[in-house]
Amino acid sequence: DTAVSQTPKYLVTQMGNDKSIKCEQNLGHDTMYWYKQDSKKFLKIMFSYNNKELIINETVPNRFSPKSPDKAHLNLHINSLELGDSAVYFCASSQGWGRNTGELFFGEGSRLTVL
Amino acid sequence: AQRVTQPEKLLSVFKGAPVELKCNYSYSGSPELFWYVQYSRQRLQLLLRHISRESIKGFTADLNKGETSFHLKKPFAQEEDSAMYYCALRGSQGNLIFGKGTKLSVKP
Repeated sequence: DTAVSQTPKYLVTQMGNDKSIKCEQNLGHDTMYWYKQDSKKFLKIMFSYNNKELIINETVPNRFSPKSPDKAHLNLHINSLELGDSAVYFCASSQGWGRNTGELFFGEGSRLTVL
Repeated sequence: AQRVTQPEKLLSVFKGAPVELKCNYSYSGSPELFWYVQYSRQRLQLLLRHISRESIKGFTADLNKGETSFHLKKPFAQEEDSAMYYCALRGSQGNLIFGKGTKLSVKP
């Protein structure tokens, strides 16, 4: 029933490990996003995909690699995790992009803790 | 530059008091502005958007292009209003550009 779902909700891992966060939406939207919320609650766009094509890549280290196998999924893979990667990662989706973008719907977030 | 500024990190009021959460923006062109709310450990939810000019949960926000502001107001705060509030601007690529957020704390 959940519109935008992310797994896992919590992830605790050691520095240097590689991990993935998955996101799925069942709203029929064609655009998906990853946002990072840091410890100060600041929300920043990381990536956006429209119809599986990358349209936004906001100066994110190339250790972060998004993958969109289809319009309903946008996964985030992170290599060689660092302490500064600890954050809550929010997935979102919308219909359309650019000035025709509809409302963004957010997932519940995935809290990543790097030790 | 496309930017959203929320000057207050924390706003603390008593129940029944009026609330105003400030938001200023920088955008060349016609802006599209939103307020999102995040209750404790929950997902962000759209509260309202300027184009619909609606009132949700007693909150209203008016776009003032002269002052480049989109302040969120509520005449009588309730305890359940305690949350993080984010002002957001639609970027040219459709993504939302968020302010740093204001934590509203409504005390009994």
